[in-house]
Amino acid sequence: GAVVSQHPSWVICKSGTSVKIECRSLDFQATTMFWYRQFPKQSLMLMATSNEGSKATYEQGVEKDKFLINHASLTLSTLTVTSAHPEDSSFYICSARELGRPDYSNQPQHFGDGTRLSIL
Amino acid sequence: GQNIDQPTEMTATEGAIVQINCTYQTSGFNGLFWYQQHAGEAPTFLSYNVLDGLEEKGRFSSFLSRSKGYSYLLLKELQMKDSASYLCAVRSTDSWGKLQFGAGTQVVVTP
Repeated sequence: GAVVSQHPSWVICKSGTSVKIECRSLDFQATTMFWYRQFPKQSLMLMATSNEGSKATYEQGVEKDKFLINHASLTLSTLTVTSAHPEDSSFYICSARELGRPDYSNQPQHFGDGTRLSIL
Repeated sequence: GQNIDQPTEMTATEGAIVQINCTYQTSGFNGLFWYQQHAGEAPTFLSYNVLDGLEEKGRFSSFLSRSKGYSYLLLKELQMKDSASYLCAVRSTDSWGKLQFGAGTQVVVTP
């Protein structure tokens, strides 16, 4: 249980292209999902908190017009990197917490497999 | 400020024990998680501590001291497949349960 699917797993595209990454919770509902970015040999940096039916909350320093987040349903959040440039090349990972369980407070975030984005 | 510190790299031999320390200074605390991450893959959950003490789960154990802002992950009977990065993460007290991650400790297991 608690599987998070992220698609695509790998994207290579030209500078200036917009790229959409999908994050789905397959067997549970998640009103909140998280988007992280990870550069090589560095830790996961939280970019934004995605809330179903409302606007995402962005961390300091993350451009909300650059990284568009839509959380249209209880099982799907999307991250769109608009007009991507080489400096946006990174490993993007989403995660979600499973709601509705009695031990919710103990539940870890479940991560998708990540999307490796390479901008040429 | 917010700070989570853990060693960059540790090396140990197969069958040995390794202890990865994590110290934290955060504005709020609602639990500490340990994750394992293999290169190019997503993190997988290992353990969770919110109260002081030791949590044991098979070959892995995790300890927490909230007064000292300190945790460790203990890996016993090391196997080659345990070579990975181990991430310490502190959950905040906000309503979403945000996680702040340390930089990770790369554990290298040698034959």
